[in-house]
Amino acid sequence: AQSVTQLGSHVSVSEGALVLLRCNYSSSVPPYLFWYVQYPNQGLQLLLKYTTGATLVKGINGFEAEFKKSETSFHLTKPSAHMSDAAEYFCAVRDTGTASKLTFGTGTRLQVTL
Amino acid sequence: NAGVMQNPRHLVRRRGQEARLRCSPMKGHSHVYWYRQLPEEGLKFMVYLQKENIIDESGMPKERFSAEFPKEGPSILRIQQVVRGDSAAYFCASSSGNEDTQYFGPGTRLTVL
Repeated sequence: AQSVTQLGSHVSVSEGALVLLRCNYSSSVPPYLFWYVQYPNQGLQLLLKYTTGATLVKGINGFEAEFKKSETSFHLTKPSAHMSDAAEYFCAVRDTGTASKLTFGTGTRLQVTL
Repeated sequence: NAGVMQNPRHLVRRRGQEARLRCSPMKGHSHVYWYRQLPEEGLKFMVYLQKENIIDESGMPKERFSAEFPKEGPSILRIQQVVRGDSAAYFCASSSGNEDTQYFGPGTRLTVL
């Protein structure tokens, strides 16, 4: 069975500082990997995804993530935080091949301070 | 292209009543997924449907919960005899099947009094 671990349920950074949100997965084979963002009382918006190819993936709003198979990680980064980045971030995995369910981590709430 | 639509956005029910949640997938999408988000928790998979078929219901509680995706019309998640523990946000997502990305709706927030 797949699982996702997000270290740190709450992360606080200053505006302009580096954002690093951690995600590790457990899967018998390398899965597809996703980061979603959720703003208060809203649905989930896809930030970026890794399926095949280049292991460094760039997404929307300046975020990027690197798939590291040896570390079973898919950490999310952004060089400079903005106040509008404050939200809940979810890492998710999915089996490759045919369509199937997503398995989510418990989420990391990002706070951005002045 | 309209996104995934869910209604109602907010639903209040008393214990013992029925709740019906609707999801209209994105145009051209024939795969629908339902997830539940309990307060302060991540999303948990409930059920995966294609038109007129349940593909995976491994996350669905055995009793009181059912889902359908008819040939015509939206997908419906039905909760019978609701209890306070059913209070949560229920999200629907859709995909084309050939694509790996699931697109999420805004969710239905169910409150059971």
